[in-house]
Amino acid sequence: AQTVTQSQPEMSVQEAETVTLSCTYDTSENNYYLFWYKQPPSRQMILVIRQEAYKQQNATENRFSVNFQKAAKSFSLKISDSQLGDTAMYFCAFSWQGAQKLVFGQGTRLTINP
Amino acid sequence: KAGVTQTPRYLIKTRGQQVTLSCSPISGHRSVSWYQQTPGQGLQFLFEYFSETQRNKGNFPGRFSGRQFSNSRSEMNVSTLELGDSALYLCASSQGRTSTVTGELFFGEGSRLTVL
Repeated sequence: AQTVTQSQPEMSVQEAETVTLSCTYDTSENNYYLFWYKQPPSRQMILVIRQEAYKQQNATENRFSVNFQKAAKSFSLKISDSQLGDTAMYFCAFSWQGAQKLVFGQGTRLTINP
Repeated sequence: KAGVTQTPRYLIKTRGQQVTLSCSPISGHRSVSWYQQTPGQGLQFLFEYFSETQRNKGNFPGRFSGRQFSNSRSEMNVSTLELGDSALYLCASSQGRTSTVTGELFFGEGSRLTVL
């Protein structure tokens, strides 16, 4: 079974700080995809960043980057220069070849304090 | 371009009733998937439709069903509601050309169902 684990239920940092959210996953698949989604309070979930497992290079999207450690099955999200608008639930998610669905972690509630 | 639209946004039902939720995907998207979000279980996959065909189904009882219409709009139905069905039901759309989620899913704001 494919599982995704986020070990940090809540995190809180000051504005402009850097924060790293952890995610580990378990799979026997070789061809898979990893995602970080953001769900702001009372707003829809949006994609932050994605990573194909076959790519060794870590994905980067502006202030957001990942540290993808395939052997360790780890996929952490780093947010640099955090902003108040980054306050949200962050979900790590996983899909694999032939599975038309996402498996989500339990989420990390991130609060950015002014 | 309009986003994914879900209706109704909020609804309250009593045990034993049934409910139908609606989802209009982004124009041109042919895949619609549904997820249940609860504080205890997190986000769980319900089912996915592409061109009116269910391609994948999650581990939910038969009380949960869905369908997709020729215009890609989708509905999900929950019959004989139980207290544990209280949740935020999220719909997501994508072009869905492959049988794998390789790219972005576009989510709606959800329908929040409360069962009393």
